[in-house]
Formats: sequence, C-alpha cells, structure tokens
Amino acid sequence: AQTVTQSQPEMSVQEAETVTLSCTYDTSESDYYLFWYKQPPSRQMILVIRQEAYKQQNATENRFSVNFQKAAKSFSLKISDSQLGDAAMYFCASRGTSYGKLTFGQGTILTVHP
Amino acid sequence: NAGVTQTPKFRVLKTGQSMTLLCAQDMNHEYMYWYRQDPGMGLRLIHYSVGEGTTAKGEVPDGYNVSRLKKQNFLLGLESAAPSQTSVYFCASSRLAGGRFFGANVLTFGAGSRLTVL
Repeated sequence: AQTVTQSQPEMSVQEAETVTLSCTYDTSESDYYLFWYKQPPSRQMILVIRQEAYKQQNATENRFSVNFQKAAKSFSLKISDSQLGDAAMYFCASRGTSYGKLTFGQGTILTVHP
Repeated sequence: NAGVTQTPKFRVLKTGQSMTLLCAQDMNHEYMYWYRQDPGMGLRLIHYSVGEGTTAKGEVPDGYNVSRLKKQNFLLGLESAAPSQTSVYFCASSRLAGGRFFGANVLTFGAGSRLTVL
C-alpha cells in the first residue's frame, strides 16, 4: 500500500518569487513514480512534473523542479518566478506497479499575490 | 482527439435515487479508473479496470458498482444514492506498460462530474 501526505493545506507566494510545496510518501515497492498535478478552478487535472524513483537526478520542467529525497521519502515541488496562472490546488501522487493505481495526497491550495 | 470524456458534468439527485456516470476514452487505453475528490482528502480510488470485462475495487468502493463491457467505456453506478456520495468524480485512463516502467505512463483525466445528493 502507498500513502502520500501533504502537510500544507494552503500556501501563498508573491508574484515572481519562489515557493516550495512539501510532500512525503510511504511505499513498500522498489519501483515507483512520483507526480505533481495541478488543478485550477476549471477542475482539470494537469500533470506538472514526474519523477522516476530509480533516477537520482531531480526532474525539472521549466519553472518547476522537484527535490527528491528517496531515503527520507520526501518529494517537494519548487515553483520559481511564480505567476498568477500558477494559482491552483496542487496534488502530490505516487504510482507503483500495482495496476498503475495513483495514490494522492490531500492537496495544497496555492495563492499567488500580484 | 477528445481524450477522456465524462457524462454528465453536473447532476443533482435525491437520496435513494440511482444514476450512472459514463466515462469514454478514445486513446485505446487498457486501464481505466474512477476517483472521487472531497475537500481535504485529495482523490481516492473507487474502482478500476485493467481491461475489457474486468473490474476491481479500489480504496472506497462501497455504494458503487462499475462495468466495462467495451474497452473504451467505463461506467460508474450508484444504485441508491446517499448524501455521503456528494462529491466530484473523475475518470482517468492509462496505457499499459510492463515491468519497472509500469508507472511511467501518465494518467489522462476527464474534466470531472459534480454530483450532489440531497
């Protein structure tokens, strides 16, 4: 079984600044993937970034990067140069080998102030 | 290319009524999933299917039934709706991959269906 915990229900950031969203997970599997999803008010689930557990290098997608600490089972998301369009609910999720089921954290609401 | 389409997008039910949510995908994906989203709880897996004619229970299956008679469709049924089933429901699909790369294929989500049970 997998569990994902996001301990920050809400976060805020000033436009153009940097913010980090926290996520911890637990899994008994050796092969797994970690994801960050963004959910704007439209409700659409948008994949932000993906990390393969067997890769030591942290994933990066433009202004989004992760800090993957495998031993600590930590997977944080850093958003640089925050933009108003980054305001959304962010979900951390893990996926193992059991039929590809995705396990989500509780979500963090990110507010971006102009 | 429509991706994953959920029908209906909104529905209001009275306690005890029944309804079916339809999920259709046009990507020839093998795997399909139904999740519910509730405030403070993230998305939780209700049922999933690994292929046509097969279904399995997820984390919160009670009160729901599913069917996958065709590969492209995954139906979620509520036989006797309860207020606790008020939620936003998401369908998702994924391609099959083998071995250690199983989790590599990302899920494609539908736009969600908001269900209110009075």
